[in-house]
Amino acid sequence: GAVVSQHPSWVICKSGTSVKIECRSLDFQATTMFWYRQFPKQSLMLMATSNEGSKATYEQGVEKDKFLINHASLTLSTLTVTSAHPEDSSFYICSARRNDRGRGYTFGSGTRLTVV
Amino acid sequence: GQQVMQIPQYQHVQEGEDFTTYCNSSTTLSNIQWYKQRPGGHPVFLIQLVKSGEVKKQKRLTFQFGEAKKNSSLHITATQTTDVGTYVCGGGSNYKLTFGKGTLLTVNP
Repeated sequence: GAVVSQHPSWVICKSGTSVKIECRSLDFQATTMFWYRQFPKQSLMLMATSNEGSKATYEQGVEKDKFLINHASLTLSTLTVTSAHPEDSSFYICSARRNDRGRGYTFGSGTRLTVV
Repeated sequence: GQQVMQIPQYQHVQEGEDFTTYCNSSTTLSNIQWYKQRPGGHPVFLIQLVKSGEVKKQKRLTFQFGEAKKNSSLHITATQTTDVGTYVCGGGSNYKLTFGKGTLLTVNP
């Protein structure tokens, strides 16, 4: 149980274009999902907290107009990287947590974005 | 803001040797979670510690939460090649985790 599916697993796009990444909780409802970014040999950095039916909460330094988050249902959150630039190339990963105590967070398989 | 430091950054051991990674937070944590991340993969949840001084075991893995709830350790006894990966700790509130950079463990067979 507690499966999170993330799509696509990798994407290459041209500078200036937008990329949408989907995160789905397959067997549970997630009112809250989290989006992280990880650069090579760096730690997971929380970008934003996605809240179903309301605006996402962004971490300091993360541009909300550049990283658009939509959490329209209890099982789907999307992250759109708008007007992507090469410096946005990174590993983006989402996570969600079931309400069961002690289960921890379930992570999606991640999306490797390369902007050329 | 909250910072979580993890040491060492890298550890290379011979198969059969023990391994320990340490996690230290700048603030008191409500809980700490440990994950294993294989190269190019995503973190996989291992365990959560909540109580001060708590110790939990999973086969050859022993997890400990400090009395002050600001540090934690993961100890692997008699490492195997399947233990290879990055062990990452995450601390914080129930709804927000701050992750350490992780300790990359490599095992020489």
